[in-house]
Amino acid sequence: DAKTTQPNSMESNEEEPVHLPCNHSTISGTDYIHWYRQLPSQGPEYVIHGLTSNVNNRMASLAIAEDRKSSTLILHRATLRDAAVYYCILRPYGKLTFGQGTILTVHP
Amino acid sequence: AAGVIQSPRHLIKEKRETATLKCYPIPRHDTVYWYQQGPGQDPQFLISFYEKMQSDKGSIPDRFSAQQFSDYHSELNMSSLELGDSALYFCASSQSGGSSPLHFGNGTRLTVT
Repeated sequence: DAKTTQPNSMESNEEEPVHLPCNHSTISGTDYIHWYRQLPSQGPEYVIHGLTSNVNNRMASLAIAEDRKSSTLILHRATLRDAAVYYCILRPYGKLTFGQGTILTVHP
Repeated sequence: AAGVIQSPRHLIKEKRETATLKCYPIPRHDTVYWYQQGPGQDPQFLISFYEKMQSDKGSIPDRFSAQQFSDYHSELNMSSLELGDSALYFCASSQSGGSSPLHFGNGTRLTVT
């Protein structure tokens, strides 16, 4: 499986935008870029995914670099409920392979 | 909207006992995945089923087995439990198709004493 690299941790203030980066220089043409998050003692939660074009949904936006070697998850206005571990995962099909994610801390 | 349902939420077993975890996928989802998450670790893929057939296998011990039934629910059977099996076990479901997202349940917390 192609590998992703994310910062170990990031901090944000409530109601400010958050940009979570992910590097995936070995991405293949069939890999979708998926983002999931996990709150303490809960199952992972789907956030967003994309292939080549930027994507928006009610939770977040996904900005994908033109060469697809990096992407950024954008939370437009962080809330305390957004504090979680965020995983960037490359997935052609089937299972998700979780690596080290980014622990996001949101300060009131 | 209906979510993935896992039962039981908590389970306490002694070493060498057996345990059965159940997973009820979202209606019309044909693929089920099982994950194990130890304390302070990331979720690790165990096994998956598509249309009641095993579709992929990860780091699942030989002491564990799983199956998907005709109604698409799945069960993870764990025998000869060890202390190291204490973990959160998550089930996820999805529709087939490469980009279909996985939807996870809230897990079963297994404690082996």
